[in-house]
Amino acid sequence: GENVEQHPSTLSVQEGDSAVIKCTYSDSASNYFPWYKQELGKRPQLIIDIRSNVGEKKDQRIAVTLNKTAKHFSLHITETQPEDSAVYFCAALPLGTGRRALTFGSGTRLQVQP
Amino acid sequence: EAGVTQFPSHSVIEKGQTVTLRCDPISGHDNLYWYRRVMGKEIKFLLHFVKESKQDESGMPNNRFLAERTGGTYSTLKVQPAELEDSGVYFCASSQDFAAASSGELFFGEGSRLTVL
Repeated sequence: GENVEQHPSTLSVQEGDSAVIKCTYSDSASNYFPWYKQELGKRPQLIIDIRSNVGEKKDQRIAVTLNKTAKHFSLHITETQPEDSAVYFCAALPLGTGRRALTFGSGTRLQVQP
Repeated sequence: EAGVTQFPSHSVIEKGQTVTLRCDPISGHDNLYWYRRVMGKEIKFLLHFVKESKQDESGMPNNRFLAERTGGTYSTLKVQPAELEDSGVYFCASSQDFAAASSGELFFGEGSRLTVL
């Protein structure tokens, strides 16, 4: 089955700096890679996703890149703000196959220092 | 529109006792998932319902866990008897049918925290 590794487990940055979270996956059939943000005490929510037919996707201050050959994908947050502080989870799924459950990484706790 | 709701938000029980967690998915979502997060680890898949049928229960840890979704609406996850290692946050999530949806977005509930003493 799919295995998703996520690094780092914790990340502390100064407000205004950039943050990068990296994930690797094992199943070459995976073609959908969402990122979820979980603020303290709240539910995980989708913030951005990417499919394997594109290499990069951007939405304001967040971007996701995908390297299918290396089976890597990364989340980039620029100009970080205190409200970006949360736990971020990457995930992978082979859409279009029989499997319909996301496999998640172990999460990255991002702390943005004001 | 109401989101995914879970009950209880936090349950504290003793080892050997029984707990039942409930999830109400978003109305119209046929897919319902249970996930669990143990402290500091990944959000781990437990099982997946399509309507009232178990599509995939490969993540269920053992036979102390029983999930049901009678009538294809809300779902329950019962742990009996509970063990210390069952402690964690149990998330329920729902989604539209993947064939119709443009993405695989899951909508999560806020989770049910289970503490087994």
